[in-house]
Order: sequence, then C-alpha cells, then structure tokens
Amino acid sequence: QKEVEQDPGPLSVPEGAIVSLNCTYSNSAFQYFMWYRQYSRKGPELLMYTYSSGNKEDGRFTAQVDKSSKYISLFIRDSQPSDSATYLCAMSAIDNAGNMLTFGGGTRLMVKP
Amino acid sequence: DSGVTQTPKHLITATGQRVTLRCSPRSGDLSVYWYQQSLDQGLQFLIQYYNGEERAKGNILERFSAQQFPDLHSELNLSSLELGDSALYFCASSDSDPISGANVLTFGAGSRLTVL
Repeated sequence: QKEVEQDPGPLSVPEGAIVSLNCTYSNSAFQYFMWYRQYSRKGPELLMYTYSSGNKEDGRFTAQVDKSSKYISLFIRDSQPSDSATYLCAMSAIDNAGNMLTFGGGTRLMVKP
Repeated sequence: DSGVTQTPKHLITATGQRVTLRCSPRSGDLSVYWYQQSLDQGLQFLIQYYNGEERAKGNILERFSAQQFPDLHSELNLSSLELGDSALYFCASSDSDPISGANVLTFGAGSRLTVL
C-alpha cells in the first residue's frame, strides 16, 4: 500500500462545476500538506499549502485537511477549462531525515466547455 | 517561468549509455531536489542537496549519482541506462533548510529522457 493514495481519474466535469479532489494517507506524522497542479509536459506548480488540520481558501480554491481521518481535499469552484491538469497532493513530516515531500500519484482533471 | 532551469529538455539515447542532466535552482535557493516521474510510478524522490551537501536519498539507483556545485547548480548523472529509465526527471529547489520547516518546492520544467 502506498503512503499517499490518490484516485488517478480522469475526472471529467462541465465548466462551472465544483470539483472535489482527494487524497488519503497512512503516515500520522505528516504535518504539512500541499496541492500541486501539473499541466501536460510541464513541471508541477504549487497551488495551496496548509499546516496541520483545517481549511484554507485562495480564490476559487479551498484546501481542507482532516488529520483524524488522514484525508485531505482540494475544492475548485466555478471550474474553468484552464483548470484542466493533473493535481498532485503532497505531504511531509519533520523527522531526522528532514521533511521530505511524499506525493500522491495525481488526479487528472478535465473541465469541458 | 518558475526560475528553476533544467537542461536538456529532451534527450534520446541508447541502452548502456550515460547522460547528465543539469539544474540551476531559483536565485537564493540553497536546496535542490531531484525527482523521477514515470507513468506507472508517479513522482519519486531521488536525492536532495542543501548548500552543496547531500541531505537525503530516496529511491535512487546505484547507477545514478548527483552533486551540487559551489555555485549551487546541480547535476544528475545516469549511467548504464536501461529502457526502464525512460521518464521525466524534475529538479526542484527550495529556500528553506529541509529540517527547519515546511518544504515548499519550486519545480523546473523537467528533462524528458527516452532510452531506446
């Protein structure tokens, strides 16, 4: 079993829909949670970063962390065709080896006009 | 442009060969990370350097090696290449010491390696 699980999709939604992307994890030591967006043939770019549990909002994007359930979510409101990309969750814990990021496999999102 | 520069963008080579991938981190970033991304494995952490010193190793094969130079650029050397080494190789940089806080990485555009 992978340390971070993410449904690979693809997830296809109409323009304007609310999108929910999720990751589950097994390592209870994870404290930092991030979402990266990766367009085809590009490098991942940071979308959202949260520490510990709670919600964080940035424009159309909301990140939620539920550490008790080991579950994180990214919500996209009023989705646009330009949101079509692969979304990667990433998380880390500070330990003796430093806080290495562990990535989920990514969910491919397609927003249709 | 993320500020992290990777060269070459594309590389096609044969099995058994050796290649070098180069990365220049964002100005001011001291940490450099190398990741491999393949279709079936996702993003896999290979190795990390901080200010010239190796800080952590992930799933890096013995055939692979890396270093970070005094000017902070980094090189990833892949030798005795096999078909399975075909992948996207990403470099990322960070301005934080990896043991002091959250690790927010800025990725380059990647180097696509094809081994024939």
